[in-house]
Amino acid sequence: GAGVSQSPSNKVTEKGKDVELRCDPISGHTALYWYRQSLGQGLEFLIYFQGNSAPDKSGLPSDRFSAERTGGSVSTLTIQRTQQEDSAVYLCASSLRFTTSSRETQYFGPGTRLLVL
Amino acid sequence: ILNVEQSPQSLHVQEGDSTNFTCSFPSSNFYALHWYRWETAKSPEALFVMTLNGDEKKKGRISATLNTKEGYSYLYIKGSQPEDSATYLCALFYNQGGKLIFGQGTELSVKP
Repeated sequence: GAGVSQSPSNKVTEKGKDVELRCDPISGHTALYWYRQSLGQGLEFLIYFQGNSAPDKSGLPSDRFSAERTGGSVSTLTIQRTQQEDSAVYLCASSLRFTTSSRETQYFGPGTRLLVL
Repeated sequence: ILNVEQSPQSLHVQEGDSTNFTCSFPSSNFYALHWYRWETAKSPEALFVMTLNGDEKKKGRISATLNTKEGYSYLYIKGSQPEDSATYLCALFYNQGGKLIFGQGTELSVKP
């Protein structure tokens, strides 16, 4: 079956512009996660959704970042007034469900490579 | 702040060599440890989810062990092949906020 897809695969933008990154999770997966990897850094957790709800937004790096999920499926990560330090690979993952003990495997998309000039 | 450490940072081996690397993590409040394999320009691929102290998992030539009391996990690759070249990531599941806390990864390069 289809895996997690993300679009665009690459995005080059100018400092100060807004960008939207899209994630299509695996069909039927109720939990969705956003991560990013900046150059030379490990994968950093940003936010997760249970259905359309994001219980904890504290991982978002600043108030320029926002995320939403509609219909329990597609999610959009929006970065307003982009800065050069926002340049990173943004990865989305989904899992069948979210549990507090999480043995659930997270399935990752190929990522969006964002470059802010 | 939880810290997940992986060593070595990079590893270069010859085809046929067996290799192993380490993931270290705080042993308190352990929930689960995930291992991923990430090839360049591809999606991270889940290898194992490990939850119990003493757990051993195997997938083909790759296996992993878990010691939650001392806070480490080992990943072993037997008879490395060039197609095993990738970055191997471990991640600790942290209950608060549903986070996976990733290590920096071990970059493995297998030369024919």
